[in-house]
Amino acid sequence: DTEVTQTPKHLVMGMTNKKSLKCEQHMGHRAMYWYKQKAKKPPELMFVYSYEKLSINESVPSRFSPECPNSSLLNLHLHALQPEDSALYLCASSQVGQGGQPQHFGDGTRLSIL
Amino acid sequence: DAKTTQPPSMDCAEGRAANLPCNHSTISGNEYVYWYRQIHSQGPQYIIHGLKNNETNEMASLIITEDRKSSTLILPHATLRDTAVYYCILSNTGNQFYFGTGTSLTVIP
Repeated sequence: DTEVTQTPKHLVMGMTNKKSLKCEQHMGHRAMYWYKQKAKKPPELMFVYSYEKLSINESVPSRFSPECPNSSLLNLHLHALQPEDSALYLCASSQVGQGGQPQHFGDGTRLSIL
Repeated sequence: DAKTTQPPSMDCAEGRAANLPCNHSTISGNEYVYWYRQIHSQGPQYIIHGLKNNETNEMASLIITEDRKSSTLILPHATLRDTAVYYCILSNTGNQFYFGTGTSLTVIP
């Protein structure tokens, strides 16, 4: 069982739709992350939030808009996605520190763009 | 960019120790070595991490060479449920994980 909960588990949307992915953790972690994973590839870092502020954006297209409304929640707002954005989207959380802080991952949202 | 090199695949007999190598010849002094695994359709699962010393927990052991340029993850008694992709990752802050291509471990009955 994972302590990071992601909803929905599966999402199918058209290219003109607007949807949001949600991530929640109650471990008191103050760093949260979004990753994208294409089939048979490793996860790729997208965004990092530290103390509810965006600290890293790995040059992600603006059709992906992250939001961290509080220390337990992380959202990823989706708009005008392309078929190549179909992937598994993973959320993770960790303590903020100087190092040695493992990230804890959810099981992801599998997104399909029609 | 990933800074680790792992063999793409390995097999291990059930009940035997699985030794998964990772090369990180450009590791810097403050970078930790993390190991994760990912079973199909699940998120990556944390296994173990270390800085300089060897580490052991209930899942595995991590052996880091003295020069820190390579490490080995040891699963002491592999089971079929250990079949997964194993990732070795370097990070100094824990906030930026760049996954390499990993090793696909198959445990054979």
